[in-house]
Amino acid sequence: SQELEQSPQSLIVQEGKNLTINCTSSKTLYGLYWYKQKYGEGLIFLMMLQKGGEEKSHEKITAKLDEKKQQSSLHITASQPSHAGTYLCGAAAPLKSTFGDGTTLTVKP
Amino acid sequence: NAGVTQTPKFQVLKTGQSMTLQCAQDMNHEYMSWYRQDPGMGLRLIHYSVGAGITDQGEVPNGYNVSRSTTEDFPLRLLSAAPSQTSVYFCASRGTGGGTGELFFGEGSRLTVL
Repeated sequence: SQELEQSPQSLIVQEGKNLTINCTSSKTLYGLYWYKQKYGEGLIFLMMLQKGGEEKSHEKITAKLDEKKQQSSLHITASQPSHAGTYLCGAAAPLKSTFGDGTTLTVKP
Repeated sequence: NAGVTQTPKFQVLKTGQSMTLQCAQDMNHEYMSWYRQDPGMGLRLIHYSVGAGITDQGEVPNGYNVSRSTTEDFPLRLLSAAPSQTSVYFCASRGTGGGTGELFFGEGSRLTVL
């Protein structure tokens, strides 16, 4: 099965700072999801990357998939309290999509 | 457009009781799935379905049953609840056309088994 490892597990940043979350797959990815989850709530779709080297942005969040399609990074520029939550990466698959354990982001005002 | 609707949002059961978590989607999606999420962990796939009448097991299927009689509905049944099944359950659906598009998630059902 395809395993995803996210790092760091948790992150505390000062408002206005930039940050990066990494997601590494044990196998080549068909595609990669990024979702955001606020505590006790559902999952919000951020973006999906499918091509090696692809980069997408959603407001101040940018994610990139490496050329080998085994690693993705999610970068937040000028973090705000609204960015706080847990970020999950997921391996897109036709039948069994798997997800990392998540990175919990705290933004201090 | 309601998307993916899960009921109930909260449920408390005693060990050995049975219940069904309901999931319905109004997007005419062929693919539907159930995940569970435990504290500090990601999502683990329980069961999935690629269309009415077709279901298969995911990563953690033991203790759960599913059926898919219509395109819209994909209920998850716990026949004899155990404390280890205390978790948050998410239903997700996706359209066809390549098989790797966006997964649309419900808002979750929080289950506690005493």
